[in-house]
Amino acid sequence: AQSVTQLGSHVSVSEGALVLLRCNYSSSVPPYLFWYVQYPNQGLQLLLKYTSAATLVKGINGFEAEFKKSETSFHLTKPSAHMSDAAEYFCAARRGFQKLVFGTGTRLLVSP
Amino acid sequence: DAGVTQSPTHLIKTRGQQVTLRCSPKSGHDTVSWYQQALGQGPQFIFQYYEEEERQRGNFPDRFSGHQFPNYSSELNVNALLLGDSALYLCASSLSLSGGPTDTQYFGPGTRLTVL
Repeated sequence: AQSVTQLGSHVSVSEGALVLLRCNYSSSVPPYLFWYVQYPNQGLQLLLKYTSAATLVKGINGFEAEFKKSETSFHLTKPSAHMSDAAEYFCAARRGFQKLVFGTGTRLLVSP
Repeated sequence: DAGVTQSPTHLIKTRGQQVTLRCSPKSGHDTVSWYQQALGQGPQFIFQYYEEEERQRGNFPDRFSGHQFPNYSSELNVNALLLGDSALYLCASSLSLSGGPTDTQYFGPGTRLTVL
């Protein structure tokens, strides 16, 4: 069964610092991969998705993620954190038309 | 263009009761998926509806059932509520069965269900 692991339930950075949120997937066949963000009391918003067209994927709000098959990873990065980036981030995977499987989430805390 | 809407926003029920949650998909979308998000957890897939039929189901008991209407809106019904059913219930819409497996799922704001 497909699974997604997000290392670190909480990540703290200072404003202006690099953001790195980790995601690893388990599958012998690379799935389609997604990063979602959830602000308090809101639903999930898609940041970016990997569809096998390019290994480096650029998303909204300055985020990007790199697909590395050899490491079964799809880590999310942003060069410079902003206070408004504080939220919960979820990595998700999908094989074909199968259900979307989410990781447990990483809460990003940004301090001034 | 309205996004995915869900009602009600919050709901409080007692154990053993039944609840119905509603979802209207984003305009033009024909597929609706439901997820349960317990506190501090990622969303868990409940089931997906397309053409008024349940197409996929996650590991949830039969107490969880759903329906999709001709206008693509959907309902999630939960019978015999348990304390453990307390969660945020998210609805997502997409064109996944006609738009391909990479088609984006758009999520609604969710319904917060509390079971006492």
